[in-house]
Amino acid sequence: ELKVEQNPLFLSMQEGKNYTIYCNYSTTSDRLYWYRQDPGKSLESLFVLLSNGAVKQEGRLMASLDTKARLSTLHITAAVHDLSATYFCAVDRGSNYKLTFGKGTLLTVNP
Amino acid sequence: EPEVTQTPSHQVTQMGQEVILRCVPISNHLYFYWYRQILGQKVEFLVSFYNNEISEKSEIFDDQFSVERPDGSNFTLKIRSTKLEDSAMYFCASISSYEQYFGPGTRLTVT
Repeated sequence: ELKVEQNPLFLSMQEGKNYTIYCNYSTTSDRLYWYRQDPGKSLESLFVLLSNGAVKQEGRLMASLDTKARLSTLHITAAVHDLSATYFCAVDRGSNYKLTFGKGTLLTVNP
Repeated sequence: EPEVTQTPSHQVTQMGQEVILRCVPISNHLYFYWYRQILGQKVEFLVSFYNNEISEKSEIFDDQFSVERPDGSNFTLKIRSTKLEDSAMYFCASISSYEQYFGPGTRLTVT
C-alpha cells in the first residue's frame, strides 16, 4: 500500500525566515504533486514533479524531487503572511493517476 | 480559464437520506475523480472514472456510493443512505497532462 508522510504537520514561522517541508513516500511512484489549501477552500495546484532531480520554483516556493530517496521537499524562502495555508503533497502511480495524499502541513506565518 | 464546477456548495441532509453531488469536469478531460476530506484530515481518493465506467475505487467506496456520467458534461456522486460519518468535503477532479484540477467542493453535513 502506498503511504505518503509529511513533516512537520504544523509549522509556525516568522516572516522573512526560510523553512522546508518534507514529503516521503513508501513505494515507487510516477509523479509527485504539491497543493495549497486555504481554510474551507479547494486544492490549488502548485507543482507537478515528473522525474528524478526535478526542481520547480514559483515565487517564494521551490519544490524538488529525489525519486531514489522517495523524497520531495517544498522550500519556503523569506516567508510572508500570504503563504499561510495547508500544504499537501500527493503521489500517483500507474495509468489511473489517482492521488494518494499526505496529511498536510499547516503553515502559519507570523508577522 | 476552464474550471471544474460543483453543486451544491453545501448540502445538509438527515441520516438515511439519499444525496446526489454534481460536478461538471473540464470538457476535454478524460479521467474524472471523486475525493473526500473529513474536516481537518487528509484528502482521500474515492473513485476514478474513465471511458464511462469506474476504473478504480477505494475501500471507502462501498455499495452506498455510485457514480454516473448521465450526459456529456455532468459527473455525479450518489450516496444512497447517508451516515453521520459521510459528513465531509467532497471534491471532484479531472485531469489533463498529469495535472489534476479540483472543483471547489461540496460540503456535506449529515445530521
